[in-house]
Amino acid sequence: GDSVTQMEGPVTLSEEAFLTINCTYTATGYPSLFWYVQYPGEGLQLLLKATKADDKGSNKGFEATYRKETTSFHLEKGSVQVSDSAVYFCALSSGNTGGFKTIFGAGTRLFVKA
Amino acid sequence: DTAVSQTPKYLVTQMGNDKSIKCEQNLGHDTMYWYKQDSKKFLKIMFSYNNKELIINETVPNRFSPKSPDKAHLNLHINSLELGDSAVYFCASSEVGVSGNTIYFGEGSWLTVV
Repeated sequence: GDSVTQMEGPVTLSEEAFLTINCTYTATGYPSLFWYVQYPGEGLQLLLKATKADDKGSNKGFEATYRKETTSFHLEKGSVQVSDSAVYFCALSSGNTGGFKTIFGAGTRLFVKA
Repeated sequence: DTAVSQTPKYLVTQMGNDKSIKCEQNLGHDTMYWYKQDSKKFLKIMFSYNNKELIINETVPNRFSPKSPDKAHLNLHINSLELGDSAVYFCASSEVGVSGNTIYFGEGSWLTVV
């Protein structure tokens, strides 16, 4: 079945460091790929998404490119801030109008130090 | 206006009690979900409803019973609460087939069973 694997955390960085959180997936068909972010005490919210191969999703300085050849969707940010401290979830969604299923990775906690 | 709202946000109760969590979405979505997040942040889908009909029912004890009176509401009732039910429960919604099925989450209900 479909699955999502993302790097284990926690990831601890200093402010202004470069961030990469790896995410790979297995899926039949052509899923959409997502990164969601969960700030402390809150629900998950969409950070960015890509719906087809070679698409790049971007938001708030974060980027991820849908790589079909490597089945990956790695999250990157050039310069992290303390406010980026959160848990990041990679996810895929596949299906059709008859029904979609979304599968989440295990989450990666990011700590950014001032 | 909150897109997906759930109540209560915090709930502390004794083992053996019965409790309900209510959820409403004002996004006009046709699909609603309940997710359970454990202490390690792992997110697991419990149920999914599409236009008031149950379409996903993962391996969840039958002490958990969802009810959808209309497509904007999906409540979760839990009977005979156990210590292992302590978790954060997230309600969510999506519009199937739109934007790759982006999911919108509520802020969570923190359930503690003592």
